[in-house]
Amino acid sequence: AAGVIQSPRHLIKEKRETATLKCYPIPRHDTVYWYQQGPGQDPQFLISFYEKMQSDKGSIPDRFSAQQFSDYHSELNMSSLELGDSALYFCASSLEGGPEAFFGQGTRLTVV
Amino acid sequence: GEDVEQSLFLSVREGDSSVINCTYTDSSSTYLYWYKQEPGAGLQLLTYIFSNMDMKQDQRLTVLLNKKDKHLSLRIADTQTGDSAIYFCAESMGSSASKIIFGSGTRLSIRP
Repeated sequence: AAGVIQSPRHLIKEKRETATLKCYPIPRHDTVYWYQQGPGQDPQFLISFYEKMQSDKGSIPDRFSAQQFSDYHSELNMSSLELGDSALYFCASSLEGGPEAFFGQGTRLTVV
Repeated sequence: GEDVEQSLFLSVREGDSSVINCTYTDSSSTYLYWYKQEPGAGLQLLTYIFSNMDMKQDQRLTVLLNKKDKHLSLRIADTQTGDSAIYFCAESMGSSASKIIFGSGTRLSIRP
């Protein structure tokens, strides 16, 4: 069965650079979520979208933005990267109103 | 996660049952989840339980929910080496798979 696809899987950026992470949800899923997992930490909710509109917002820094496109894929844009942004970034998708959120394999971002 | 608490480590002998416990604080959570994360991998949804249920069984997995005490447990029968992973308890903050709050995760290790 198709899963949530994230790209790239690994990304190395320098401080103050920008990064764009992409997420392709499971077909027919209309809701996407972004999470950040720091080393040894639990995943922290960043932001979610339903039908291309932001549906909820968590601890997402102002330097980050995200959007969902008409084909339901989503992109997380990160600017002025800091060393502390180094983490695993997960995308998850679900059907609106459904109980199950399925996660992608994550993008490991390393800021040097 | 500050709203969901778990013990950090559990060690069991291969073939024994593992019981991972979790407490949560939001009594309005509709769904409670168990996710599994293997080293360097994504978050795999193992199972979830609706808040008006008190038990759910799925093959080797049994979830028990005590809503009065806000206590959730995951029992893995006949624990195998492939069960070694971090297990995250999580709660949804809405009526569906909306913002999910994760616990800090329990690292399960298997002794031969």
